[in-house]
Amino acid sequence: SAVISQKPSRDICQRGTSLTIQCQVDSQVTMMFWYRQQPGQSLTLIATANQGSEATYESGFVIDKFPISRPNLTFSTLTVSNMSPEDSSIYLCSAAGNEQFFGPGTRLTVL
Amino acid sequence: KQEVTQIPAALSVPEGENLVLNCSFTDSAIYNLQWFRQDPGKGLTSLLLIQSSQREQTSGRLNASLDKSSGRSTLYIAASQPGDSATYLCAVSRGSNYKLTFGKGTLLTVNP
Repeated sequence: SAVISQKPSRDICQRGTSLTIQCQVDSQVTMMFWYRQQPGQSLTLIATANQGSEATYESGFVIDKFPISRPNLTFSTLTVSNMSPEDSSIYLCSAAGNEQFFGPGTRLTVL
Repeated sequence: KQEVTQIPAALSVPEGENLVLNCSFTDSAIYNLQWFRQDPGKGLTSLLLIQSSQREQTSGRLNASLDKSSGRSTLYIAASQPGDSATYLCAVSRGSNYKLTFGKGTLLTVNP
C-alpha cells in the first residue's frame, strides 16, 4: 500500500485568491489523481496528474481553474485559482497501482 | 455514463448486529470495485478491492461480493462495533486507467 500526505490539511481563503495543495506519496506510483468532495456529496474526479506533462481533465474541469503539476512519480500539486465560495470542498489526492489509495484530504473554505 | 448507487443512504444498528450495505452500478464493464471507509472530515481508507474476475473478498469481519453481470456488490460487516461507525463508499474503476466513479455512500452508525 501507498502512504499519501497532503499539505495543508485545511485552509480558509478569501474570494479571488489561489491556493496550492501539495501531495506526496511514499513510493513511486503509476497514476496520481485529484478528486473533489463538495459538502454532503461524494467524490468527483477532477483530473489525472501526468508525470512530466499536462494533466488530463474530466468534463467540467479546466486547466485555468485547476492547474496541476507532477514533476516526478511521487509528488503532485493542485492549485485552485481565483476561488469563490463554490470552491469550498475537500480536495483529495490519490495514487493508484491496481488498488487506489487516498490522502487525508485538504479542507478548503472560501469566504 | 457510469452511475453508482448505494442503498441505504444511512443505517443505524445496535452493537453486535450483522449488516449488509448495497452498491449497484449501471455499466457492468468494470475493471474492479473498491470499498472505502471515510471518517468525518477525513480521507478515505481502502477496505476491500474486488477484481472484475472475482466474486468476493474477505478481510477480518468484512466480506465484499461482486456480481458483475447484475451490476451489484454488497459489503457484509459481521458483529458490528461502535468503531465501525463511518461513511462507507463504493467505487468502480472504468478501466485499467484506474479512474474511479463513486457512489454517495452509506452513513453507518453503530450504537453501543
